[in-house]
Amino acid sequence: DQQVKQNSPSLSVQEGRISILNCDYTNSMFDYFLWYKKYPAEGPTFLISISSIKDKNEDGRFTVFLNKSAKHLSLHIVPSQPGDSAVYFCAASEVDQFYFGTGTSLTVIP
Amino acid sequence: DSGVTQTPKHLITATGQRVTLRCSPRSGDLSVYWYQQSLDQGLQFLIQYYNGEERAKGNILERFSAQQFPDLHSELNLSSLELGDSALYFCASSVSGGARETQYFGPGTRLLVL
Repeated sequence: DQQVKQNSPSLSVQEGRISILNCDYTNSMFDYFLWYKKYPAEGPTFLISISSIKDKNEDGRFTVFLNKSAKHLSLHIVPSQPGDSAVYFCAASEVDQFYFGTGTSLTVIP
Repeated sequence: DSGVTQTPKHLITATGQRVTLRCSPRSGDLSVYWYQQSLDQGLQFLIQYYNGEERAKGNILERFSAQQFPDLHSELNLSSLELGDSALYFCASSVSGGARETQYFGPGTRLLVL
């Protein structure tokens, strides 16, 4: 039972354009959401997070949007850079349980 | 480099065998988490320890067990291995194990069961 879903396995974007990665969840009790980035042969690294009481959080080129009514989370990267090419995982937590999506592989084309 | 180390990097074994994966958390972190990533799957949370005690349990099979030692390193023991246990196993650590704390991940141990 996948409670956090990333329906797009891959995404290609031109350098300088916006990358939008999407994530859907089913559990309305999730109260904290995160995005992690993963390069090959490395573990995931934390990127940005958002509490369920907010609808937007911004950190430099990265912005996360939360639509609780739609149970939808998105990560915007503007402008996209070749170094952003990686697998992006969204994650959600409920108390002491952590759920990750299957990841979206982003390729930024120079 | 996250500061979290995992050994070994790769492990090949046979069905029915038992293996131990080791994790050393970042200096100062008291909490350790274990995750499993199978092919085309997201990371599945297995178990969390805080300062030597089990804090939370996720989708961990009964054939799997873990512990955190006084020096805060952790081991994940996988027994009666099956083909489906082939996966990437990640360890992560955080300062005090709060649900909103950033988790720092190690590079993973890739397990192949033949």
